[in-house]
Amino acid sequence: AQSVTQLGSHVSVSEGALVLLRCNYSSSVPPYLFWYVQYPNQGLQLLLKYTSAATLVKGINGFEAEFKKSETSFHLTKPSAHMSDAAEYFCAVTANTGNQFYFGTGTSLTVIP
Amino acid sequence: SQTIHQWPATLVQPVGSPLSLECTVEGTSNPNLYWYRQAAGRGLQLLFYSVGIGQISSEVPQNLSASRPQDRQFILSSKKLLLSDSGFYLCAWGRVSYEQYFGPGTRLTVT
Repeated sequence: AQSVTQLGSHVSVSEGALVLLRCNYSSSVPPYLFWYVQYPNQGLQLLLKYTSAATLVKGINGFEAEFKKSETSFHLTKPSAHMSDAAEYFCAVTANTGNQFYFGTGTSLTVIP
Repeated sequence: SQTIHQWPATLVQPVGSPLSLECTVEGTSNPNLYWYRQAAGRGLQLLFYSVGIGQISSEVPQNLSASRPQDRQFILSSKKLLLSDSGFYLCAWGRVSYEQYFGPGTRLTVT
């Protein structure tokens, strides 16, 4: 069985501050992990993915995430927040033999000017 | 490149009316296809997925159904809508151990 938990349904940061969105996973098999971003009334857009290669993964828009097996975490970070980063962020997990994704409940990011 | 389309973009339907949402994918063959529902302020709920024509797996018992009449076409239907069917419906395509790509979504309001 697989699942992800996103800690903090709402996160607020000041423009220019560090963004840290937390995701912990549970998986009985080696996981593949993903972060998606959703802007209002739009579909989800892939930010980055971990598929058992490098543990530090760089994505679009300056985001990156680090896979830490010992902590079962895959937290999303960005050094400096922009106003355009305000959106809903979802963490997801699947297995290398899986057809299904398991999504977290999402974290709403607010950027304060 | 692959693209995924959904229509309509928005829909307002009365309780008890039928529903048909369509999703099509271009630029790939034999994709896995998925229907998700997103209720206001909540995460994604997987409704159905399909690994091939005519193969549908249902994740949540409800008054919705799905069909895959062609390789790159996925349809979500209901014979009689309920108020609780309101939400944002997302179609996605993907492959085993591969990322999923999402369509633009359909906003359904049942009145």
